[in-house]
Amino acid sequence: DTAVSQTPKYLVTQMGNDKSIKCEQNLGHDTMYWYKQDSKKFLKIMFSYNNKELIINETVPNRFSPKSPDKAHLNLHINSLELGDSAVYFCASSEYSETQYFGPGTRLLVL
Amino acid sequence: QQQVKQSPQSLIVQKGGISIINCAYENTAFDYFPWYQQFPGKGPALLIAIRPDVSEKKEGRFTISFNKSAKQFSLHIMDSQPGDSATYFCAASKGSNYQLIWGAGTKLIIKP
Repeated sequence: DTAVSQTPKYLVTQMGNDKSIKCEQNLGHDTMYWYKQDSKKFLKIMFSYNNKELIINETVPNRFSPKSPDKAHLNLHINSLELGDSAVYFCASSEYSETQYFGPGTRLLVL
Repeated sequence: QQQVKQSPQSLIVQKGGISIINCAYENTAFDYFPWYQQFPGKGPALLIAIRPDVSEKKEGRFTISFNKSAKQFSLHIMDSQPGDSATYFCAASKGSNYQLIWGAGTKLIIKP
């Protein structure tokens, strides 16, 4: 069983479109995260949710909106996609320990 | 003060050699220092972690050395193998919010 899963794995879209990425974890963790990894491999935390409550909201454009329908799911909706949004987006989850478990990533390419 | 500085950016090591990646931090409140390993096309995965109450932690061929006074910690990979080729990230966190502050990553290539 996959611990942290993301869909889709690849996403190719045109500038200006709106898209969503879904994340699910079956580890029973309370905290979930979204990260952006750019072409230079730098990992940037975007959002963190704890028990469906937003606890970290780093400086990201408000075109990005996370939504947590329950503590096992954290989705990311992106409006008006721009070229600079092209990156790999990772979902992760953690419990009381600090270990974060990452999903396989969603590779977003904006044309 | 929130930064974690990682070096080198890339590293090439011969098979069987020792790979060393270094990280430095400023915030003395950090109390948890993990290393993550990321293979191409995969998400990062925890490799090994240390807390400041010990100066060294070893798991198999992987060792973290921690120098509290210098505010530095490093990852040593002994007998490096081609399968160790990956990007390695150091990170640090403090307190109970568990937000990790990440280093910029080191791309390690082990030459056969």
